[in-house]
Amino acid sequence: ETGVTQSPTHLIKTRGQQVTLRCSSQSGHNTVSWYQQALGQGPQFIFQYYREEENGRGNFPPRFSGLQFPNYSSELNVNALELDDSALYLCASSPGVGTNGETQYFGPGTRLLVL
Amino acid sequence: QQQVKQSPQSLIVQKGGISIINCAYENTAFDYFPWYQQFPGKGPALLIAIRPDVSEKKEGRFTISFNKSAKQFSLHIMDSQPGDSATYFCAASDSNSGYALNFGKGTSLLVTP
Repeated sequence: ETGVTQSPTHLIKTRGQQVTLRCSSQSGHNTVSWYQQALGQGPQFIFQYYREEENGRGNFPPRFSGLQFPNYSSELNVNALELDDSALYLCASSPGVGTNGETQYFGPGTRLLVL
Repeated sequence: QQQVKQSPQSLIVQKGGISIINCAYENTAFDYFPWYQQFPGKGPALLIAIRPDVSEKKEGRFTISFNKSAKQFSLHIMDSQPGDSATYFCAASDSNSGYALNFGKGTSLLVTP
């Protein structure tokens, strides 16, 4: 186990709705990244937060937003859901600095289905 | 644009055999190359990782071979076991991007008894 937890495990929404997914990182990990994994594909980088500030963003529209909190938890928010947003959403935490600071530890993911 | 290309898409190996998965990249700024294993319904789990200053890294039955000039790297699973049946992803990242991972499309490995 990586010590990274995500909630909820599954979620069903309808097109146009908004969703919030949550992640709890390993204690001491000040970097969290979010990825979207479509069925049968590799994870795609959405964005990364370092010490509560966005630290990089992939090719995702602004309706994907996030927050990171001082207690090692974070959120991914998606507005105006589209059918193509159906995917497994993964968060990954990393130490960010020091030996193996780049190593990312993934949670089990939240499976989102948009109808 | 896929920054990391992975092959084959699927692989069937007999128990005890060697599984080989290959990846190629273009961005010479990449300086960290991990491999992840993913079982159905689970998140990816780090298997082994390498930096470009070494050509090979071995951990148990898993070995990464790295060819910097060719911009290629591969995963070898020795003595493959049915429990190794999973999807394997190669990835690449660099410090300039906060080590955001660029994943390949994955290889579905089936090890038959």
